[in-house]
Amino acid sequence: AQSVTQLDSQVPVFEEAPVELRCNYSSSVSVYLFWYVQYPNQGLQLLLKYLSGSTLVKGINGFEAEFNKSQTSFHLRKPSVHISDTAEYFCAVIPRGGSYIPTFGRGTSLIVHP
Amino acid sequence: NAGVTQTPKFRVLKTGQSMTLLCAQDMNHEYMYWYRQDPGMGLRLIHYSVGEGTTAKGEVPDGYNVSRLKKQNFLLGLESAAPSQTSVYFCASSTSGQFYGYTFGSGTRLTVV
Repeated sequence: AQSVTQLDSQVPVFEEAPVELRCNYSSSVSVYLFWYVQYPNQGLQLLLKYLSGSTLVKGINGFEAEFNKSQTSFHLRKPSVHISDTAEYFCAVIPRGGSYIPTFGRGTSLIVHP
Repeated sequence: NAGVTQTPKFRVLKTGQSMTLLCAQDMNHEYMYWYRQDPGMGLRLIHYSVGEGTTAKGEVPDGYNVSRLKKQNFLLGLESAAPSQTSVYFCASSTSGQFYGYTFGSGTRLTVV
């Protein structure tokens, strides 16, 4: 079984500041890793994913994430946030070669202040 | 190019009433899922389907039933609604390989009074 821990339930930050949203996972097998974003009153959208290869993954809207196998982490970063980045962010893992059913973290609310 | 469409978007039910939520996708995806989202709980899987005519239980299946009679549709039923089922329900679909991630619908906000 897998588990995903998003270490911060809420991250307040000022506009144009850098941000890091933390995600740690636990799994007995190798996993695929995803970040999703949910804007208010909308469904989730895929932000980026790690399947294999380079551990630094770039996604949409200037976000990137780095897979660290030894620390079982997949932290999401952006060097300069905008007001429009205010949203809920979810980390998810899917076991390789398994049922393809993802496990989601509980989400991190990013609040960008002007 | 609609993606995943959920109907209705909002609904208020009285305790004990029944209803069906409809999810339709036009991407020929094999896998479909129903999640509920509650504050501080993230997304929890209710039921899922790996193909037409198949269904399986997720993490929180009690009180819900599903059907996948057509590949493009996945129905979620509440036979006797309870206040604990007040939530936002999301449908999602994916290809069998999962490499492209999920496509989510915009959600159904259900209130049971």
